Amino acid sequence: DAKTTQPTSMDCAEGRAANLPCNHSTISGNEYVYWYRQIHSQGPQYIIHGLKNNETNEMASLIITEDRKSSTLILPHATLRDTAVYYCIVRVDPDYKLSFGAGTTVTVRA
Amino acid sequence: DSGVTQTPKHLITATGQRVTLRCSPRSGDLSVYWYQQSLDQGLQFLIQYYNGEERAKGNILERFSAQQFPDLHSELNLSSLELGDSALYFCASSVERRSPLHFGNGTRLTVT
Repeated sequence: DAKTTQPTSMDCAEGRAANLPCNHSTISGNEYVYWYRQIHSQGPQYIIHGLKNNETNEMASLIITEDRKSSTLILPHATLRDTAVYYCIVRVDPDYKLSFGAGTTVTVRA
Repeated sequence: DSGVTQTPKHLITATGQRVTLRCSPRSGDLSVYWYQQSLDQGLQFLIQYYNGEERAKGNILERFSAQQFPDLHSELNLSSLELGDSALYFCASSVERRSPLHFGNGTRLTVT
């Protein structure tokens, strides 16, 4: 799997948008970008994934640069419940497994 | 609720013992994955099954084994337990390739 680089931690104000960057400069053409989060020892929760187009769902938006070497996860209106470790993962097709890195610890403050 | 059920939630046992962790995937999901998360190692992929067959293997110790049954539930067997095996063990399932994985809430294993 292509390696990803994320900031170790970041803070965000409640109600504001949280923009989480991820660098994946060695990504290949058939590799998808996945985002998961883990809230305090619960099971990781799927957020969103994409290949090259921007994606949006009820939880977040995923912006992938045109060269696909980086992406940004956007939580539009962060709440205290969004405090978690966020993992950016590049997943090879047809390799099925997800390889988790250290992720970004996001703290949403009131 | 992800729809993936793991039992038991907590397990405390002694070194040298053997335990079995159980996972019921989401309805319709054919793939099951096992991950280990210890304090100093992060989430480590152990093994994956697809429709009863082993599909991929990660950093799984020889003392550990897994299987997926015809009803698609899976079991992870850990034997000759050591203190270092204390960790959260997560199961995940997915429908098919490229599909997102959905994780259960894990089994917390404590080896004393």
